[in-house]
Amino acid sequence: DTGVSQDPRHKITKRGQNVTFRCDPISEHNRLYWYRQTLGQGPEFLTYFQNEAQLEKSRLLSDRFSAERPKGSFSTLEIQRTEQGDSAMYLCASSLKLTGPSTDTQYFGPGTRLTVL
Amino acid sequence: SQQGEEDPQALSIQEGENATMNCSYKTSINNLQWYRQNSGRGLVHLILIRSNEREKHSGRLRVTLDTSKKSSSLLITASRAADTASYFCATEDSSYKLIFGSGTRLLVRP
Repeated sequence: DTGVSQDPRHKITKRGQNVTFRCDPISEHNRLYWYRQTLGQGPEFLTYFQNEAQLEKSRLLSDRFSAERPKGSFSTLEIQRTEQGDSAMYLCASSLKLTGPSTDTQYFGPGTRLTVL
Repeated sequence: SQQGEEDPQALSIQEGENATMNCSYKTSINNLQWYRQNSGRGLVHLILIRSNEREKHSGRLRVTLDTSKKSSSLLITASRAADTASYFCATEDSSYKLIFGSGTRLLVRP
């Protein structure tokens, strides 16, 4: 049984560089979420997909951030022109959302820790 | 922005004691969930309580929800050293995204 995986686990980059993270959800899950977590805080929602459609984006997601889920399976989160304030743990979660008013449990990956120097 | 606050921010107890964490939130919810996070790792889902439920149990966990006060509590009974972690409550809004609190750091001393 494979859970949500994220790659890389750690990324150190210099300010101004672009970085891309990948998330592989649980295979049958149709929803995929990205969160950001800074030290000592809870995760903050960034964006989510239902299959390949990006349904909602947080105001936290500036125009330097872009996320894709081209085939409704894995997703990538790219940060362009990184800033020191982008340093955080980036968490991915997936869930199986059934039709109707059901509640889906989100399963989280181990996260990608980004450090911008 | 965070939905609410956990209380206390940090809790230190002896193994075998019970640990109680509280969570307050601000807006209407579909459900409230509790997650555990070990240092620097991903979150593990513990328990979900729906907005029309008042209490739920899972093993050593007991969760209560008071929607009139917009608050929830998580009780861990007979704590173990392995329960040492950060605990977060998260509310699910109408678009199914989770809004997390700032967490309670629990230390269980052996």
